[in-house]
Amino acid sequence: DAGVTQSPTHLIKTRGQHVTLRCSPISGHKSVSWYQQVLGQGPQFIFQYYEKEERGRGNFPDRFSARQFPNYSSELNVNALLLGDSALYLCASSLRQVTEKLFFGSGTQLSVL
Amino acid sequence: GEDVEQSLFLSVREGDSSVINCTYTDSSSTYLYWYKQEPGAGLQLLTYIFSNMDMKQDQRLTVLLNKKDKHLSLRIADTQTGDSAIYFCAVDTSGGYQKVTFGTGTKLQVIP
Repeated sequence: DAGVTQSPTHLIKTRGQHVTLRCSPISGHKSVSWYQQVLGQGPQFIFQYYEKEERGRGNFPDRFSARQFPNYSSELNVNALLLGDSALYLCASSLRQVTEKLFFGSGTQLSVL
Repeated sequence: GEDVEQSLFLSVREGDSSVINCTYTDSSSTYLYWYKQEPGAGLQLLTYIFSNMDMKQDQRLTVLLNKKDKHLSLRIADTQTGDSAIYFCAVDTSGGYQKVTFGTGTKLQVIP
């Protein structure tokens, strides 16, 4: 079975632009979460979506938004990019809203110039 | 908010045991995790432990949980060069949704 897949793997944008990152969860998983990992740090929680509804949000500005589609895939959108948004964006999927098994994809490396 | 702390670096010789330590602040965490990250890669779930357990063993991996001291450790027996990576301790938060808080990661260097 395929794991969590994310696209694109790498992305370069300039300040002020908008970006959309995509995630497909493991088949059968209904929860998708997004994390931001800045170089040298641990991942930080951005959002959790379960059954197509936002269930939780971390301490990120409104420039960050996401949605989950009927097939449980998800998009993360970031508007008005800042240099500080440069990071590895990780998607995680799980069967249930709260679970012991949270599986991560390989991430999208976003560079903002 | 939740805080998770780990030492930044650990160096061991191949064949020795590695012990990576972690402390956390939220005593209401239900699940505690260890993830492995290799260069340029995502996070690999190594193992997890429920908060009502003291110990969990999975092949070369042993997780110890001391709830009183809010201390979690990961022991890797017979450490191999392929174990070289960054290891993240992580804990979930209580509440209606799942937010996992990660430590800053411990870089494990295995010397042949």
